[in-house]
Amino acid sequence: NAGVMQNPRHLVRRRGQEARLRCSPMKGHSHVYWYRQLPEEGLKFMVYLQKENIIDESGMPKERFSAEFPKEGPSILRIQQVVRGDSAAYFCASSPGGRAMRTEAFFGQGTRLTVV
Amino acid sequence: GENVEQHPSTLSVQEGDSAVIKCTYSDSASNYFPWYKQELGKRPQLIIDIRSNVGEKKDQRIAVTLNKTAKHFSLHITETQPEDSAVYFCAQRDTDKLIFGTGTRLQVFP
Repeated sequence: NAGVMQNPRHLVRRRGQEARLRCSPMKGHSHVYWYRQLPEEGLKFMVYLQKENIIDESGMPKERFSAEFPKEGPSILRIQQVVRGDSAAYFCASSPGGRAMRTEAFFGQGTRLTVV
Repeated sequence: GENVEQHPSTLSVQEGDSAVIKCTYSDSASNYFPWYKQELGKRPQLIIDIRSNVGEKKDQRIAVTLNKTAKHFSLHITETQPEDSAVYFCAQRDTDKLIFGTGTRLQVFP
């Protein structure tokens, strides 16, 4: 059972370009969460998605950031017109979700975005 | 909003000593409290968790205690080893997402 898969592991973008980060959840998991981690800081919640639905995007910046989790394929975190302050590690986590007792969330390896 | 306070931010111990990290939360409805370990440059990994219907849980050298009345929970690592050195994050489940503490950098000196 492969874990949460994120790609790319490292991404370099120039200011003003777009960044696309991908996340494939663990098999059997239908809930995906995106977190951002600035250097030497904690994990900040960005968005929580189920298939084809955004459940909670309270942590997403209002502009330039968007996320989706289509019926088929991975979840995508998209950052338009990147700025240096977007440089961070972006982690995706997945869980079975819902009200079941098994609510553990497992993280992917992360995508380290560097904006130059 | 929901908030998790974590202390201390850094902790240095001698190999073989115990380490304790404490977290306080604000949402009394929370019922799930995991702990994650993150080594440098790697992903956070779940090491232990506790649900609100128990007060303590142990897994070898690691234990977690939960005081729902006081709204705090703690991670206890006994007989620490150099490979325990990492950043540890507590978290609480808010509805269906996890809110993390600010992390504790643990250094275990041989």
